[in-house]
Amino acid sequence: DTAVSQTPKYLVTQMGNDKSIKCEQNLGHDTMYWYKQDSKKFLKIMFSYNNKELIINETVPNRFSPKSPDKAHLNLHINSLELGDSAVYFCASSPTSGVRAYEQYFGPGTRLTVT
Amino acid sequence: LAKTTQPISMDSYEGQEVNITCSHNNIATNDYITWYQQFPSQGPRFIIQGYKTKVTNEVASLFIPADRKSSTLSLPRVSLSDTAVYYCLVGDISHSGYALNFGKGTSLLVTP
Repeated sequence: DTAVSQTPKYLVTQMGNDKSIKCEQNLGHDTMYWYKQDSKKFLKIMFSYNNKELIINETVPNRFSPKSPDKAHLNLHINSLELGDSAVYFCASSPTSGVRAYEQYFGPGTRLTVT
Repeated sequence: LAKTTQPISMDSYEGQEVNITCSHNNIATNDYITWYQQFPSQGPRFIIQGYKTKVTNEVASLFIPADRKSSTLSLPRVSLSDTAVYYCLVGDISHSGYALNFGKGTSLLVTP
């Protein structure tokens, strides 16, 4: 059973388009995240959600909008895609309370290429 | 979040023990130390976490001295499949919105 799944795995699109990446976790976790890993391999937090509520929103353009329809899903919608958005996007989840919150489970990533 | 410093890269032969040290001089009282592993084209994977002294699991050991200003991840008898990037993370996740602060990591190459 896949713990954290993302679709699609690869996404190639043109500048200016709008696209979405879906994430689902079957671990029963309360907290979910989106991370971005750029070409230099730096992994940075974009958003984190706890029980469907946004709890952190790093300096991310408002073209990026996360949506959490329920605790098990956190989707990422990106408007007006730009070349600089090309990266690998990882979804993750974790328990909320206690030290187990440090143990985050990451999805396989979505490689977004904007041309 | 405490700043961490770890070697950019390390090489090892199969079967050797590998120790990766991470410096975190400004670690705060409530900060935990966590290590993740990332293989190419995959998401990071939790390895081990600790607060002080020594922690061991089926994958690795984590040594933390009394002053907690550094920590050492120990991988016993590495194999080729341990080639990956290893990240040391230090912070109080309850105050950071549960976000992990990944640095540059240490790229470990294991060769026959």
